[in-house]
Parts: sequence; structure tokens; C-alpha cells
Amino acid sequence: GENVEQHPSTLSVQEGDSAVIKCTYSDSASNYFPWYKQELGKGPQLIIDIRSNVGEKKDQRIAVTLNKTAKHFSLHITETQPEDSAVYFCAASYNSSASKIIFGSGTRLSIRP
Amino acid sequence: GAGVSQTPSNKVTEKGKYVELRCDPISGHTALYWYRQSLGQGPEFLIYFQGTGAADDSGLPNDRFFAVRPEGSVSTLKIQRTERGDSAVYLCASTTLGERLYFGPGTRLTVL
Repeated sequence: GENVEQHPSTLSVQEGDSAVIKCTYSDSASNYFPWYKQELGKGPQLIIDIRSNVGEKKDQRIAVTLNKTAKHFSLHITETQPEDSAVYFCAASYNSSASKIIFGSGTRLSIRP
Repeated sequence: GAGVSQTPSNKVTEKGKYVELRCDPISGHTALYWYRQSLGQGPEFLIYFQGTGAADDSGLPNDRFFAVRPEGSVSTLKIQRTERGDSAVYLCASTTLGERLYFGPGTRLTVL
């Protein structure tokens, strides 16, 4: 089955700098890669996703890149702000009408003022 | 509109007891997922439903865990003979078309 590995487990960056979180997946059949943000005491919330037919997607300060050959995908947050502090999870699935979505172990991002 | 709700928000039980955790998905969402999240870990897949049927229950750890969704809406996760290792936050999510998952706030289960 699918296995998703995520690193680093913790990341601290200066406010205004960029943050990068990386994930690898094992199942070459996976074709849907979402990223979720989880704040304390809440369920995860989708922030961006990418499908295997594109290599990059951007939404304001957030971008995701995908390398299908290497089975790597990454989250990039630019111009970080205090409200970006949270735990971020990558995930992968083979997306039919609905399917099992496997999550990475998470990255705790802290933004230093 | 209303999001995914889960009840109770917290449940404390004794080892060996039976517990039920409830999930009310977003109205009209056909797929419903259960995940378990231990401290400092990512959500661990347990089971997902498409309508009333379990489409994939490969994540249920053993036969003490069971989930139902009899009318294709509300779902109940049932855990028999609870063990201390079952302590975690149990997350429910719903979706349509298998894309964005909408998570509830979770039920924190503590087994003493």
C-alpha cells in the first residue's frame, strides 16, 4: 500500500522568510496530492492540492511542486506570517470517485517574530 | 453551512469498556472517512464509506473496531474491549467526488 514520508518534523523560520516542506510517496499509481494545515484543537484543513498531470500549482503565498519520476512533492510558503504557524501534513491517494488518502507524519512550522 | 460535527468531543473510559463515537457529515457528502491521530503523528486511515457501504476498511487495526453508516449519512465508530493503546483523537471527514476532505474537530478518546 501507499506510504508517505514527510520531513522535516519541525521547522522554525524568521517571519518574512520562506518555508519548504518535502514529502515522498511509494505508490506510483498515486495521482492526487493534497496539503493540509492543522491548528491546535482543530481538524486538518485543505490549503492546496495538486494532481499528477501538472508539475506546479500556486495560490498566493503557497505553492506545491510535484516530481512524478522521483515521487517527490513539496510545499513552499513564501513571505511567512505568524498565522502560518501550525502543523502541516502532506497526503497522497489514487483518486477515483473517492479513495483511501494516506497522510504523512506532519511538520510543525513555527514562525519567529 | 454546518461543517462536520463529532460527538462527544471528549470521552474517558476504562480499559475493557465499549465506546461509540459519532460523526455527522456535511449534508449531501457521499463519502465519509474515519482517521485516528496519535500525539505528534499524522492522521492514520481507518475506514471510508461510499454511501452506506464500507469501500475500504483496511485500516481498522483489529476486530475490536467496527464502523457503520446505515443511512448513508451519520456514521458511528464502535470500539469493543478498549485498550490503553486506543487512546487518540478520532477524526471524521466527509467529501464529495473524492477530493477535498472536510474534517470535524475530532473526539479525544482516553482509555484509563
